[in-house]
Amino acid sequence: SQKIEQNSEALNIQEGKTATLTCNYTNYSPAYLQWYRQDPGRGPVFLLLIRENEKEKRKERLKVTFDTTLKQSLFHITASQPADSATYLCALDTSGAGSYQLTFGKGTKLSVIP
Amino acid sequence: EAGVTQSPTHLIKTRGQQATLRCSPISGHTSVYWYQQALGLGLQFLLWYDEGEERNRGNFPPRFSGRQFPNYSSELNVNALELEDSALYLCASRYNRVGYGYTFGSGTRLTVV
Repeated sequence: SQKIEQNSEALNIQEGKTATLTCNYTNYSPAYLQWYRQDPGRGPVFLLLIRENEKEKRKERLKVTFDTTLKQSLFHITASQPADSATYLCALDTSGAGSYQLTFGKGTKLSVIP
Repeated sequence: EAGVTQSPTHLIKTRGQQATLRCSPISGHTSVYWYQQALGLGLQFLLWYDEGEERNRGNFPPRFSGRQFPNYSSELNVNALELEDSALYLCASRYNRVGYGYTFGSGTRLTVV
């Protein structure tokens, strides 16, 4: 069956360190992968999109990699801050290229400790 | 630019009743997606509307239904409410170009008692 797995439900990290979150998937061939941030009781907020032919994408302190052979994406936050504490979701296009219908992982709750 | 707006913010219903949730997408976005997020669970895809048509639906019973209006706003209806329908219902819209993600609303918290 098709699955999207985010490596851990919760991740605690010291302020200033780099947080690395993992998203693995099986039985999909997504054209692209997206990462979102969700704060409690709020809707997710789009952060980054990476296409299947891109290895890496950066935006300020965020970096995403996408390895279609390993079927894995890594999401990095460098110089992490307490304000980065939130749940981070990865999402895949799962209805065929161009459909933009996303399937989400369950998320990793990141806590940045001062 | 106004974001995706959802109403009401909170809704309390009793088992067996019907609930109607509303969503207005960002101006210029023609696709609307509905997701259910139950406590402790991930986002579960419910419905996708584009240009007034239902394009796909998730693995939910037929008592979950909706529609999209000519102005691209959308309505989600849940009939014969059950306790397990209690969840945060999120609506999202998107710009029809590659490179753009979803823009989500803040959701409607539905509580079934």
